[in-house]
Amino acid sequence: ETGVTQSPTHLIKTRGQQVTLRCSSQSGHNTVSWYQQALGQGPQFIFQYYREEENGRGNFPPRFSGLQFPNYSSELNVNALELDDSALYLCASSPEHLNTEAFFGQGTRLTVV
Amino acid sequence: AQSVTQLGSHVSVSEGALVLLRCNYSSSVPPYLFWYVQYPNQGLQLLLKYTSAATLVKGINGFEAEFKKSETSFHLTKPSAHMSDAAEYFCALGGGTSYGKLTFGQGTILTVHP
Repeated sequence: ETGVTQSPTHLIKTRGQQVTLRCSSQSGHNTVSWYQQALGQGPQFIFQYYREEENGRGNFPPRFSGLQFPNYSSELNVNALELDDSALYLCASSPEHLNTEAFFGQGTRLTVV
Repeated sequence: AQSVTQLGSHVSVSEGALVLLRCNYSSSVPPYLFWYVQYPNQGLQLLLKYTSAATLVKGINGFEAEFKKSETSFHLTKPSAHMSDAAEYFCALGGGTSYGKLTFGQGTILTVHP
């Protein structure tokens, strides 16, 4: 059974650009949640996808958007990058959206310059 | 609104000493509480969870936590620290029964001295 995998592991973008981060959920999991972890902070919930539909969103602007595919993998898109978007982006998958544990990937380190 | 407060951003103990990491929460609904560990350059690993069953929860690597409703606390303990326990620890509050919608504390960095 493979775990949650995220790609790329690191990337550097310029302010104003757009970025797409990818997450392959663990086999059999239909729910994916995304988190932003700024340096020295705890992770902040961005949004969750359940069976290809957004199922809850944290306090992030609309330029943060997502997608979940029929195989339950997911993408996080960020438009008009700002310096403060520099962070570790974590993806977590769960077997279901209720009453099941979230398993985290290794994260993508995004640096905006 | 939900919130989690971890008291102490850094905790330092000697190898073999008791580990105590503090977590207090605020929730308008019955809480689901979690402790995660994060090693450098890695994701989060679940140590243990409280989901309204037993108030004393045992987790992996010898850690345990006690849910105290009257104190709105969920402190993490380990009787004897090991060098491999050095990491950052996060307390998290679940969004109801959706365990994927978590509110995290700021984290506590645990240092273990020989």
